[in-house]
Amino acid sequence: DVKVTQSSRYLVKRTGEKVFLECVQDMDHENMFWYRQDPGLGLRLIYFSYDVKMKEKGDIPEGYSVSREKKERFSLILESASTNQTSMYLCASSTRTGSWQPQHFGDGTRLSIL
Amino acid sequence: GDSVTQMEGPVTLSEEAFLTINCTYTATGYPSLFWYVQYPGEGLQLLLKATKADDKGSNKGFEATYRKETTSFHLEKGSVQVSDSAVYFCALSLNDYKLSFGAGTTVTVRA
Repeated sequence: DVKVTQSSRYLVKRTGEKVFLECVQDMDHENMFWYRQDPGLGLRLIYFSYDVKMKEKGDIPEGYSVSREKKERFSLILESASTNQTSMYLCASSTRTGSWQPQHFGDGTRLSIL
Repeated sequence: GDSVTQMEGPVTLSEEAFLTINCTYTATGYPSLFWYVQYPGEGLQLLLKATKADDKGSNKGFEATYRKETTSFHLEKGSVQVSDSAVYFCALSLNDYKLSFGAGTTVTVRA
């Protein structure tokens, strides 16, 4: 089974802090994704990466950056955390053989910015 | 742009009741369609998928048929259990591997 592991289940940070969310997958997938999940809005794509050191903006990239130095690891960075970034963050990965391939998700990080 | 609209919740049912969650999509091409489920405290899991018109995806007693003429992918289960209580997301994917999600439908099944 594919395993996508997010480093923290719950995280509390303060406004203005630089925050790192880490995600590791063990299936040698080319694609990795970061989403945020908010009630009534579903999942919204922040960034995705289709290869090491490659990244593309999703629908809501403002206030975030990402890093992919190794194939198995994809990091989401909040450069200066703000209260409107309090949310559930989900990481996912998929293989690049076709759009019919499902994404595999981690259990999520619930981030609170105080 | 590409988008998914799914039935608003919450939906509350009794055990053994019939469940249907409506999902319609707008897409510029021919998408693959998915239903994901999120159980309390967990991430999303793939429930079923369909990759072309008239395909039927099925898993754990759930079914959905890809209807190109009505641009729909409605989820159905004939007899729900308490363990089916979860949030259900309809999603589509085109050639760029990105998923577009619906807002999610919360389903609660009471014993």
